[in-house]
Amino acid sequence: NAGVTQTPKFQVLKTGQSMTLQCAQDMNHEYMSWYRQDPGMGLRLIHYSVGAGITDQGEVPNGYNVSRSTTEDFPLRLLSAAPSQTSVYFCASSRGLAGESYNEQFFGPGTRLTVL
Amino acid sequence: GEDVEQSLFLSVREGDSSVINCTYTDSSSTYLYWYKQEPGAGLQLLTYIFSNMDMKQDQRLTVLLNKKDKHLSLRIADTQTGDSAIYFCALTNSGYALNFGKGTSLLVTP
Repeated sequence: NAGVTQTPKFQVLKTGQSMTLQCAQDMNHEYMSWYRQDPGMGLRLIHYSVGAGITDQGEVPNGYNVSRSTTEDFPLRLLSAAPSQTSVYFCASSRGLAGESYNEQFFGPGTRLTVL
Repeated sequence: GEDVEQSLFLSVREGDSSVINCTYTDSSSTYLYWYKQEPGAGLQLLTYIFSNMDMKQDQRLTVLLNKKDKHLSLRIADTQTGDSAIYFCALTNSGYALNFGKGTSLLVTP
């Protein structure tokens, strides 16, 4: 298993450009999430999905779109990049809650995005 | 999201015990996690505890949960220089939306 993979690892954009951060998992997990990490802010939830075709907003969704057409993939789209979106982006997946059984969120290695 | 508070820095000597604390406001949190992040790397799950537990021990790691005071702690016994990293507590009652603290930077000095 590759686990959770993210591409690209690094990206530099100009203000106003658009791009898609890719995230894929091969563990057949139902739940997938996107977080951004900023210095001194911890990780904040952007969008999440509880299954194919189902997405919802997290704490900081503005400026980002997501879709979940398959169980494996959960891309994050920046429609018009802004300097405030300079951050490290992490994708995570988990198999979903089942009573009190263990439910680990697996994180990808991150994408470091700079918007000039 | 709900507030999750951690102290920002902790410095200990190699061989001593480290205790990293976390306080939270959401009493409905079901799963409580501790993650470790080394510089430039992703997040590594260290350990977790369910809300119906008071303590969990896993080798050098001990997690204590005080639900009354909404306080979670991570104790690392015999701390090594390789334990230097940022430690995050994270809580959820949903399984897909973790609420993270801002992280505690642990520095272990020889």
